[in-house]
Amino acid sequence: AQSVTQLGSHVSVSEGALVLLRCNYSSSVPPYLFWYVQYPNQGLQLLLKYTSAATLVKGINGFEAEFKKSETSFHLTKPSAHMSDAAEYFCAVSRRRGQLTFGSGTQLTVLP
Amino acid sequence: GAGVSQSPSNKVTEKGKDVELRCDPISGHTALYWYRQSLGQGLEFLIYFQGNSAPDKSGLPSDRFSAERTGGSVSTLTIQRTQQEDSAVYLCASSLGGAGGEAFFGQGTRLTVV
Repeated sequence: AQSVTQLGSHVSVSEGALVLLRCNYSSSVPPYLFWYVQYPNQGLQLLLKYTSAATLVKGINGFEAEFKKSETSFHLTKPSAHMSDAAEYFCAVSRRRGQLTFGSGTQLTVLP
Repeated sequence: GAGVSQSPSNKVTEKGKDVELRCDPISGHTALYWYRQSLGQGLEFLIYFQGNSAPDKSGLPSDRFSAERTGGSVSTLTIQRTQQEDSAVYLCASSLGGAGGEAFFGQGTRLTVV
């Protein structure tokens, strides 16, 4: 079965600092991987997705993620955090039929 | 509509009552998902519909939970004899289907069982 593990349920960074949110996947076949963001009291919004076209994927709001097969990782990064980045971030993997399985989420706090 | 619409946005019900939650997916989307998000928890998969295929019900937590999708469009999630532990935000999403399709989420229904 395909699944994702997010390391760190809470991450705090200072404004302007690097954001690194970790995601590892388990999959017996090349996966489709996603990062979603959830702002308070809102639904989830897609940040970016990996579909094997390129290992470095750029998303919205300056976020990017790199697919590393050797490490089975798909970590999310942003060079410089903004206060508006404070939210919960979810990594997800898609099965062949399209069903999405989500990680447990990482709450990002940005400190002034 | 422009996005996934869920109704009601909030629902307070008494323990033991039945509730129905509605999801209107994006027109043309063949895949539809229901997830549950409890306070401080991640997204718990409930059920997945894809076209005319049999739905994947493997995430439904008990036989009090059921869902249907009529005409390949609107979906209703029904919880019978609600319990306090059913209190959560229920999220619906839809996509074009297939393994790489982006899922678009509704705003969710916040269910409170008192």
